[in-house]
Amino acid sequence: EAGVTQFPSHSVIEKGQTVTLRCDPISGHDNLYWYRRVMGKEIKFLLHFVKESKQDESGMPNNRFLAERTGGTYSTLKVQPAELEDSGVYFCASSHFGTGDGYTFGSGTRLTVV
Amino acid sequence: KQEVTQIPAALSVPEGENLVLNCSFTDSAIYNLQWFRQDPGKGLTSLLLIQSSQREQTSGRLNASLDKSSGRSTLYIAASQPGDSATYLCAVKGSARQLTFGSGTQLTVLP
Repeated sequence: EAGVTQFPSHSVIEKGQTVTLRCDPISGHDNLYWYRRVMGKEIKFLLHFVKESKQDESGMPNNRFLAERTGGTYSTLKVQPAELEDSGVYFCASSHFGTGDGYTFGSGTRLTVV
Repeated sequence: KQEVTQIPAALSVPEGENLVLNCSFTDSAIYNLQWFRQDPGKGLTSLLLIQSSQREQTSGRLNASLDKSSGRSTLYIAASQPGDSATYLCAVKGSARQLTFGSGTQLTVLP
């Protein structure tokens, strides 16, 4: 099966600009997650979709971040306007429905805000 | 709040050695624990998934154990190779269905 696909793989934007990250989960996976790793810190949870619904967005840092999951398929994470502290690697993961299922991660998007 | 700690933060060993990476977590109410590998500039590759009811999982030269009651897991790598060099991450899945990650162990296997 195809894995979790993320693009772009890298993005360099100026402070104040908008960036949209995209994630295509494994087909049939109801659960989609966004995580990020900022420099020197652990990977942290951002939010969780079950199909098209936001199940948990407690990790979203502020209202400059907006995530959507159209029709329960792919997801986008928009940062508007971007700030310097948003730089890091943004990971997407998906899992089948079930609390015991493991996660499959994408290769991540490295975002640099200058 | 779940906290995950990985020890050591970095490890350098000669090729052929057996080694153990440690992971501890503060809240034993978990669904499962997953070990990942991350190569520089790359994504996370799942190595082993241990359900809360299991004690260990094995894949090739890798063996992961789980002692839920004491909040500990170990990843054992047998006969290490230079290709095993990477950062190894431990993550637990709790009731909120999100993963809590440790900060990782950076492993270097010297030829």
